[in-house]
Amino acid sequence: DVKVTQSSRYLVKRTGEKVFLECVQDMDHENMFWYRQDPGLGLRLIYFSYDVKMKEKGDIPEGYSVSREKKERFSLILESASTNQTSMYLCASRGQTSYEQYFGPGTRLTVT
Amino acid sequence: GQSLEQPSEVTAVEGAIVQINCTYQTSGFYGLSWYQQHDGGAPTFLSYNALDGLEETGRFSSFLSRSDSYGYLLLQELQMKDSASYFCAVRDQGQAGTALIFGKGTTLSVSS
Repeated sequence: DVKVTQSSRYLVKRTGEKVFLECVQDMDHENMFWYRQDPGLGLRLIYFSYDVKMKEKGDIPEGYSVSREKKERFSLILESASTNQTSMYLCASRGQTSYEQYFGPGTRLTVT
Repeated sequence: GQSLEQPSEVTAVEGAIVQINCTYQTSGFYGLSWYQQHDGGAPTFLSYNALDGLEETGRFSSFLSRSDSYGYLLLQELQMKDSASYFCAVRDQGQAGTALIFGKGTTLSVSS
């Protein structure tokens, strides 16, 4: 069964902290994605990766960075968390020749 | 750039038929997808249209008209469990890979 897992369901951090959100997929997918979801704004793409060590900015990359050292793992990093980064973060993966994208359960991050 | 427009809310009663429209603007087009997301859950894939016409999967159908940059999701014989958010999405060709860009979502409320 296809699986995308995220390291935490809920996370509370303080302003200025460095935050790591981890995502792991077990489908050998080439493409991995990070989205944030806010009420009324839908899913907005932060960054994606199409191969190990390769990354591309999405629509809202400011304040975020990513790391993909292994094919199965894609990390989202908030260098210095701010309150406007309080959101639901969703990781997803997709095979190179596939049109179906699989999502993890999400991490609800609160920055205080 | 790319943009997708869909209604923010739709209400219907059990047993009814509802249509959720989506218009899009993209620099390149690689197909229109639909995803369903229940409250507190992750988005899950419903359908994909690469070519014009209607695709049927059980109670759900999806339509695409590439010349009109328009598609819709048709839900028949509505059930309470269909209450969810529905997102249309297009693949956007980035510099080196493709990412799925989502609309803001349509919240469907089904009442008895």
